[in-house]
Amino acid sequence: EAGVVQSPRYKIIEKKQPVAFWCNPISGHNTLYWYRQNLGQGPELLIRYENEEAVDDSQLPKDRFSAERLKGVDSTLKIQPAELGDSAVYLCASSYDRDAFFGQGTRLTVV
Amino acid sequence: GIQVEQSPPDLILQEGANSTLRCNFSDSVNNLQWFHQNPWGQLINLFYIPSGTKQNGRLSATTVATERYSLLYISSSQTTDSGVYFCEINDMRFGAGTRLTVKP
Repeated sequence: EAGVVQSPRYKIIEKKQPVAFWCNPISGHNTLYWYRQNLGQGPELLIRYENEEAVDDSQLPKDRFSAERLKGVDSTLKIQPAELGDSAVYLCASSYDRDAFFGQGTRLTVV
Repeated sequence: GIQVEQSPPDLILQEGANSTLRCNFSDSVNNLQWFHQNPWGQLINLFYIPSGTKQNGRLSATTVATERYSLLYISSSQTTDSGVYFCEINDMRFGAGTRLTVKP
């Protein structure tokens, strides 16, 4: 069974530029999560989807971050414009019932 | 919101030693999971354990929900156990983690 797939693995952009991350969850997993992990810290939830619906986006900085989950499968997280403080690893996870499985993450560096 | 505290923050062991990692939480939980993040950053689900005790090989976990804590036991540690261990509760809220280094 394929795991959670994220792309790209690494991204370096200049500040004020846009950037997008893509996540393909495990087949059949109706719940999808996006996290941000800063160096030396635990992951912080940005948004949680149940199928196509965003059920928890309270921690998503909506002035510059947006996310979508088309047809309840793949998801895209976008930042526009990026700031230096957005440098972090962006993780996607999916679950069906309870156990969550994580992708390898996208390491974003904003210069 | 609910607070999650993990201890110790850092732990260094000699290969073969045993260890206990602790997760305290400030309110009742419906879900609790333990994850291991390896040195390459991959998060692996170890246990889903909102209550009771589970074992998987050299690892076991116990959650006492009424007393608001969970413990992760690692026996006969190996260098491959190195990494950060996270406790995650309810709405996918993570603790700060315990960084484990196992030396050969």
